[in-house]
Amino acid sequence: QQQVKQSPQSLIVQKGGISIINCAYENTAFDYFPWYQQFPGKGPALLIAIRPDVSEKKEGRFTISFNKSAKQFSLHIMDSQPGDSATYFCAASNYKLSFGAGTTVTVRA
Amino acid sequence: NAGVTQTPKFQVLKTGQSMTLQCAQDMNHEYMSWYRQDPGMGLRLIHYSVGAGITDQGEVPNGYNVSRSTTEDFPLRLLSAAPSQTSVYFCASRPTANYGYTFGSGTRLTVV
Repeated sequence: QQQVKQSPQSLIVQKGGISIINCAYENTAFDYFPWYQQFPGKGPALLIAIRPDVSEKKEGRFTISFNKSAKQFSLHIMDSQPGDSATYFCAASNYKLSFGAGTTVTVRA
Repeated sequence: NAGVTQTPKFQVLKTGQSMTLQCAQDMNHEYMSWYRQDPGMGLRLIHYSVGAGITDQGEVPNGYNVSRSTTEDFPLRLLSAAPSQTSVYFCASRPTANYGYTFGSGTRLTVV
């Protein structure tokens, strides 16, 4: 079964809006939580990552919020741009990296 | 510095044929993994390795073999191809456990 549950499956946002993707996990042994961005025909690329001793990490327009007690984490894309249209995967790692099912984000101009 | 190189990029196999997907990295990374990507299912781990000579199974290992004789190379062997193995295969590497993976560009495999 999938060790990381991701929602929504897809979302549409207007240019300048905020995209929010949520993930949940069960395995408390996970100690590294990356997000990947994938464009059609390409391999996933690391976007941003967080460790469980930090509740929030921001890099440019991308922010991860992490709630260790709830075993949940989320990606916020601020000021969404058409170039952000892609599939986003959350993941969780100990010695193996497990992925969520992915969220397709479409940013309308 | 080429990163993670996968060959071939595309392959069509007949049911029952065998083949090897090649993966090489030039970053001296200890960890390497193979994933398959199917629509709506994200990336599922097939096999992984934490160093030369050490491999282990992931979520979906059946029908696949791996070996890791060098740090650089991590080939994936399909023993007897089945239509259910039609997928996009990604190889990835990272220096240690708590770092992000660098992915190759993928191999699109069709089994007919």
